[in-house]
Amino acid sequence: EVQLVESGGGLVQSGGSLRLSCAASGFTLRSHKMSWVRQAPGKGLEWVARIKEDGNEKHYVDSVEGRFTISRDNGKNLLFLQMNNLGAEDTAVYYCARDLNWIDPWGQGAQVTVSS
Amino acid sequence: EIVMTQSPGTLSVSPGERATLSCRASQSISRNLAWYQQRPGQAPRLLIYAASTRATGVPARFSGGGSGTEFTLTISSLQSEDFVVYYCQQYDNWPKTFGQGTKVEIK
Repeated sequence: EVQLVESGGGLVQSGGSLRLSCAASGFTLRSHKMSWVRQAPGKGLEWVARIKEDGNEKHYVDSVEGRFTISRDNGKNLLFLQMNNLGAEDTAVYYCARDLNWIDPWGQGAQVTVSS
Repeated sequence: EIVMTQSPGTLSVSPGERATLSCRASQSISRNLAWYQQRPGQAPRLLIYAASTRATGVPARFSGGGSGTEFTLTISSLQSEDFVVYYCQQYDNWPKTFGQGTKVEIK
């Protein structure tokens, strides 16, 4: 079964940092682009970042550029999202995603709450 | 950035009836469009990609159509589990963007 499991979410103060991890199983991570997508409370979906198979090409949405870093460890089947200088607008559920251009599957999500 | 606009925001339909959801792109995206279903408290689930290809395990009552800037998701006969939220998403350009969602509710 193809599965993605996020960890590392939690409560952090404004200006703080958090690192999300995503463990992939049931498929070969190194063969796929991967992404992070977030959903603020009661809101829609926002594609945050994507990374190509070998990790050498990354893209970010403007709102997180310079603050978030996506990375991967293909040997350990792990995807990461380092989030720095967090603000209230970053409060959301963060989903790890296998990026086929469309997303399939999605992880169950990690809650990130930024308090002021 | 390509803006995706879904309509209506809320669609009221009776069980067993047909529902048609619309998604419009601010510029042509060919057929580079996906649809997702999201149940409360759960992650989204892929329904359709390439505008009209059903994902594995998706019931045949779900169908997608359109190209360019206008797309539709049709649910031919609504079942109780279908009364949830649906999102479209373009993957023609970065950043990939989603519509704001259509909630299908029981009439």
